[in-house]
Amino acid sequence: AQSVTQLDSQVPVFEEAPVELRCNYSSSVSVYLFWYVQYPNQGLQLLLKYLSGSTLVKGINGFEAEFNKSQTSFHLRKPSVHISDTAEYFCAVARSSASKIIFGSGTRLSIRP
Amino acid sequence: NAGVTQTPKFQVLKTGQSMTLQCAQDMNHEYMSWYRQDPGMGLRLIHYSVGAGITDQGEVPNGYNVSRSTTEDFPLRLLSAAPSQTSVYFCASSYSGTREAEAFFGQGTRLTVV
Repeated sequence: AQSVTQLDSQVPVFEEAPVELRCNYSSSVSVYLFWYVQYPNQGLQLLLKYLSGSTLVKGINGFEAEFNKSQTSFHLRKPSVHISDTAEYFCAVARSSASKIIFGSGTRLSIRP
Repeated sequence: NAGVTQTPKFQVLKTGQSMTLQCAQDMNHEYMSWYRQDPGMGLRLIHYSVGAGITDQGEVPNGYNVSRSTTEDFPLRLLSAAPSQTSVYFCASSYSGTREAEAFFGQGTRLTVV
């Protein structure tokens, strides 16, 4: 079975600073990997996804993530954050041959002016 | 396109009452699922369906029933509500093929059981 670990429950950063949100997964088969964002009182929105091919994936709002198979990681990065990036971020994994998506516990990103 | 529509947005139940959370999608997605979101625990899968007439249990199925009579609809039933079922519930849908694995989410139903 797959599982996802988000190592940080909260990450505070200053505006315009870089940020990295960490995600590790475990699976014995090939997987798809996702990052979703949830703004306050809203549903989840896809930031980016890794299905195959290039290990560096670019998403919306300037975010990117790198798939590292040897370290079973899929960390999310942004070189310069904005106040509007304040949200909760979820890493998720799904088996390549099925669509059941398993989520991590989330990382709350707070941006300080 | 409406995408994934959940109703109601808010609901308060008394312990022991039953109710159905509605979920509908207009994207002709085969796969639909229900999650609950609790602080510090992320989203946990309750039940899912890979097509009309087919459902299966997720991580936390106890106390919930589902059915999938059409491709569009995937209602979640609480048989006898308990305070432990106070949560925010999200419905999601996606294609089950290999090209489009992204899940689309509804806006959520905030349920309080008193």
